[in-house]
Amino acid sequence: EAGVAQSPRYKIIEKRQSVAFWCNPISGHATLYWYQQILGQGPKLLIQFQNNGVVDDSQLPKDRFSAERLKGVDSTLKIQPAKLEDSAVYLCASSLAVGNEQYFGPGTRLTVT
Amino acid sequence: QKEVEQDPGPLSVPEGAIVSLNCTYSNSAFQYFMWYRQYSRKGPELLMYTYSSGNKEDGRFTAQVDKSSKYISLFIRDSQPSDSATYLCAMSDYGGSQGNLIFGKGTKLSVKP
Repeated sequence: EAGVAQSPRYKIIEKRQSVAFWCNPISGHATLYWYQQILGQGPKLLIQFQNNGVVDDSQLPKDRFSAERLKGVDSTLKIQPAKLEDSAVYLCASSLAVGNEQYFGPGTRLTVT
Repeated sequence: QKEVEQDPGPLSVPEGAIVSLNCTYSNSAFQYFMWYRQYSRKGPELLMYTYSSGNKEDGRFTAQVDKSSKYISLFIRDSQPSDSATYLCAMSDYGGSQGNLIFGKGTKLSVKP
């Protein structure tokens, strides 16, 4: 079974630029999550999708972050404009359904200079 | 007070030692308790999953939950260099938060040969 795929693996941008991350969940997984993991911290949920609908985006900084999950499969997370404090690893995870085990991708390491 | 507290370490032990990792939490609604292992530059992977109070054993790993003290532990017996990783505790009330996981900061473990 293929795992959660993410790209790119690394990205360096300057502040005020925009960036997008892509996630392909495990086939058949209805629930998809985006987490932000700042160095030395645990992952923090940004947004949760059930199929192509948003379940929880209460911790997403909506003035600069946006996410979509078209057709209930792949998802993209965008930051525009980026700030220095957005430097982190952005992890995508998926699960069969809410409450099931979450499988994480390798993450995208973002550095904002 | 943060919802989940975890000593970030680092923790260094000799090969073969028994390792004890701990987390405390403040939200009494948490019912599901997990331990994730995260190798450097990888996503977290689920190691142990416990519902409510009690113990769960899987090979060299034992997870304990004491809900009365709001305290969870992970024990690793006969530790190996391959156990060197960051260990994250995570917990959820699932029913009330759509499956959202709240993570600790993670404890970095190094097992020396």
